[in-house]
Amino acid sequence: RKEVEQDPGPFNVPEGATVAFNCTYSNSASQSFFWYRQDCRKEPKLLMSVYSSGNEDGRFTAQLNRASQYISLLIRDSKLSDSATYLCVVNVYNQGGKLIFGQGTELSVKP
Amino acid sequence: DTEVTQTPKHLVMGMTNKKSLKCEQHMGHRAMYWYKQKAKKPPELMFVYSYEKLSINESVPSRFSPECPNSSLLNLHLHALQPEDSALYLCASSQELGSSGANVLTFGAGSRLTVL
Repeated sequence: RKEVEQDPGPFNVPEGATVAFNCTYSNSASQSFFWYRQDCRKEPKLLMSVYSSGNEDGRFTAQLNRASQYISLLIRDSKLSDSATYLCVVNVYNQGGKLIFGQGTELSVKP
Repeated sequence: DTEVTQTPKHLVMGMTNKKSLKCEQHMGHRAMYWYKQKAKKPPELMFVYSYEKLSINESVPSRFSPECPNSSLLNLHLHALQPEDSALYLCASSQELGSSGANVLTFGAGSRLTVL
């Protein structure tokens, strides 16, 4: 089983749709959690950190469920510019600070 | 504009060449990373330096040799590479290694390497 698993993509949605991505992690010692966004042929960029109480940034909402060991990302009112690959990233305390990347979920928002 | 600068942006080399990738950051970050990324795959960790010392080596072949001359610079020396080493090489930095609040990665734009 992979340490960090994400929904398989691609997700093809119309503009204005709400889309949710899930990510599960296997190591209960995981400490910190992030969503990164990567555009085609570009570097990954931090979209948001994920906090225990959940957090929101505009149209984006991230949730963490430690009991079930999953993280989610909700995008409301999708824009064409949201088309990208979304990477779930987990920091595991007992792996020397190594950040573990999920495989990524590709989102394509269509007009 | 990215705060982590990588050069060159593109590199084509033969299997007998020796070349280097360079990375620079001026954010005062004390951890620096090399990742390798193939198409449609996530970044794959290669090396991590913390306070200029090699902290993590993910069993990378010796034809890749990292170097951290100072806290702002990170190099990756390449020698006798194989065609399967062709990939996007990403440098990243973070405030610290291992501390949950301070290990947010900032990536450079990458060096796209082709080995002929």
